[in-house]
Amino acid sequence: ETGVTQSPTHLIKTRGQQVTLRCSSQSGHNTVSWYQQALGQGPQFIFQYYREEENGRGNFPPRFSGLQFPNYSSELNVNALELDDSALYLCASSGTATTPRYEQYFGPGTRLTVT
Amino acid sequence: AQSVSQHNHHVILSEAASLELGCNYSYGGTVNLFWYVQYPGQHLQLLLKYFSGDPLVKGIKGFEAEFIKSKFSFNLRKPSVQWSDTAEYFCALMFSGGYNKLIFGAGTRLAVHP
Repeated sequence: ETGVTQSPTHLIKTRGQQVTLRCSSQSGHNTVSWYQQALGQGPQFIFQYYREEENGRGNFPPRFSGLQFPNYSSELNVNALELDDSALYLCASSGTATTPRYEQYFGPGTRLTVT
Repeated sequence: AQSVSQHNHHVILSEAASLELGCNYSYGGTVNLFWYVQYPGQHLQLLLKYFSGDPLVKGIKGFEAEFIKSKFSFNLRKPSVQWSDTAEYFCALMFSGGYNKLIFGAGTRLAVHP
């Protein structure tokens, strides 16, 4: 069974640029959730995708957007980067045809630094 | 708004000492509660979860947690810690109608000295 993977591991961007982060869900999982973890804080929910549609969103502006593909992998896109976007971005997958979506399995994260 | 508070940001213990990490939440309805652990250099892993039934929940590696509804608490305990328990611990809440999103506390960093 393959776990959740994320790419890239680290990324440095300049303020105003755009970034795309990628996540491959655990085998069989149909739901992907994205979280932002700023330094010294717990993860904060950005949004969730279920069967290629956004299924819920946290308090993040529209410049945070996402996609889920037919194979359930997902992308997080952030436009017009700000310094405060510097954080660890976590992807979590969950849910199969027979198991619930509330048990989430996390990937290692992408560390984004905005300068 | 729903929230989770973890009282201790840093805890330092010697091996064999007992551990209790506090977690309180703010939500008046039905909740699911979780403890996640992040070992150095590793990703978040689920330690244990509470959905319903027995309020005393046992997880992996000898950890347990007690849900006390009247106190809105879900404290994590371990009778005797080991050096390998050094990690950051996060309490998290999930509520019905919340899209299965997790609301995390700020975390408690535990250091266990040999």
